[in-house]
Amino acid sequence: AQSVTQLDSHVSVSEGTPVLLRCNYSSSYSPSLFWYVQHPNKGLQLLLKYTSAATLVKGINGFEAEFKKSETSFHLTKPSAHMSDAAEYFCVVRMEYGNKLVFGAGTILRVKS
Amino acid sequence: DTEVTQTPKHLVMGMTNKKSLKCEQHMGHRAMYWYKQKAKKPPELMFVYSYEKLSINESVPSRFSPECPNSSLLNLHLHALQPEDSALYLCASSQELGQLPTDTQYFGPGTRLTVL
Repeated sequence: AQSVTQLDSHVSVSEGTPVLLRCNYSSSYSPSLFWYVQHPNKGLQLLLKYTSAATLVKGINGFEAEFKKSETSFHLTKPSAHMSDAAEYFCVVRMEYGNKLVFGAGTILRVKS
Repeated sequence: DTEVTQTPKHLVMGMTNKKSLKCEQHMGHRAMYWYKQKAKKPPELMFVYSYEKLSINESVPSRFSPECPNSSLLNLHLHALQPEDSALYLCASSQELGQLPTDTQYFGPGTRLTVL
């Protein structure tokens, strides 16, 4: 069965410093992985996706993630945090059949000025 | 354009009311989804429609009744809800119910439901 573990429930960074949100996955096959962001009282916005192409995936707003099969990780990074990045981030794996998504528990990113 | 719209944005209803949530997309997607999201939790899948037919029902209570009148519209009819049903209800759509990159799910902004 597929699953994801987001290793930090909360991450706090200063504006202008790098962001690292960690995600490990478990899958018996080559997975499709996604990062979604949810700002307070908003819906989910797709940041980026990995679907068996390039292992380094670039997304919107300067975010990127690297798929590392040997480490079963899909960590999200950004070189320089902005105040507008403060939100909750979900790492998601797609199940093997159909299009059902398995969500991680979420990581709340706080950006300090 | 990857826009999914949902109305209303907020809804307050009593336990004896009947109300409906509406979701719309014009991306030509053939799969549509309802999710429920409680505070401080990830979204939970409720229903999936594919080509206007119900494909997945995640054992949702019958007081929630989905409907897909056409390929662009998805409704969720609510009746006799409980206070614990208060949550953010999210709609999503994807090209197909498959595994391709184009089958990425795109979410709407949600309807915040409060049941009194």
